[in-house]
Amino acid sequence: AQSVTQLDSHVSVSEGTPVLLRCNYSSSYSPSLFWYVQHPNKGLQLLLKYTSAATLVKGINGFEAEFKKSETSFHLTKPSAHMSDAAEYFCVVSLLPGGTSYGKLTFGQGTILTVHP
Amino acid sequence: DAGVTQSPTHLIKTRGQQVTLRCSPKSGHDTVSWYQQALGQGPQFIFQYYEEEERQRGNFPDRFSGHQFPNYSSELNVNALLLGDSALYLCASSPIAGGSYEQYFGPGTRLTVT
Repeated sequence: AQSVTQLDSHVSVSEGTPVLLRCNYSSSYSPSLFWYVQHPNKGLQLLLKYTSAATLVKGINGFEAEFKKSETSFHLTKPSAHMSDAAEYFCVVSLLPGGTSYGKLTFGQGTILTVHP
Repeated sequence: DAGVTQSPTHLIKTRGQQVTLRCSPKSGHDTVSWYQQALGQGPQFIFQYYEEEERQRGNFPDRFSGHQFPNYSSELNVNALLLGDSALYLCASSPIAGGSYEQYFGPGTRLTVT
């Protein structure tokens, strides 16, 4: 079984300050982990992915995430928020081949990021 | 290079009717997955198609069915629509090779059941 918990439903920051969106996962096997972003009335865009290579993953638009197996966490960070970062962010887990849920993405409930001028 | 496309963009149906949603995968992708995203929720996995067969299914009733064509495009059919089926339906495609299993999403079809 696999699951994802996003610890904050809403996060509010000022433009130019750091962003931290928290995610814990549960997986019986070695997981692949992703962060997707969804702007209002838009589809989902992949920000970054972890697939058992480097534990610090860099994504698009200055975002990065660190896979910590001991803490079962995959938090998303960005050093300096921009107004255009305002959106909903989803932490997602999938199993690598050999896991029973191969290919299925399991989404967290989402974190809405608000960026104030 | 076209990404994942879906049609129609919006759809309004009456309870009890049937609906068909369509998806064309990203070029080079042969696996298509469907997700339902209710308002204020994260997407929920409906099923995945590969080689024209349903390979995996989420916790959705048999009213939800699908099909994949030889050109890898896919349809999602929902019978006997309920008010609770109102949602954004997302199609995602992925390449079977490569190993990363990331999925690329289309813009979605917004279904409203009245």
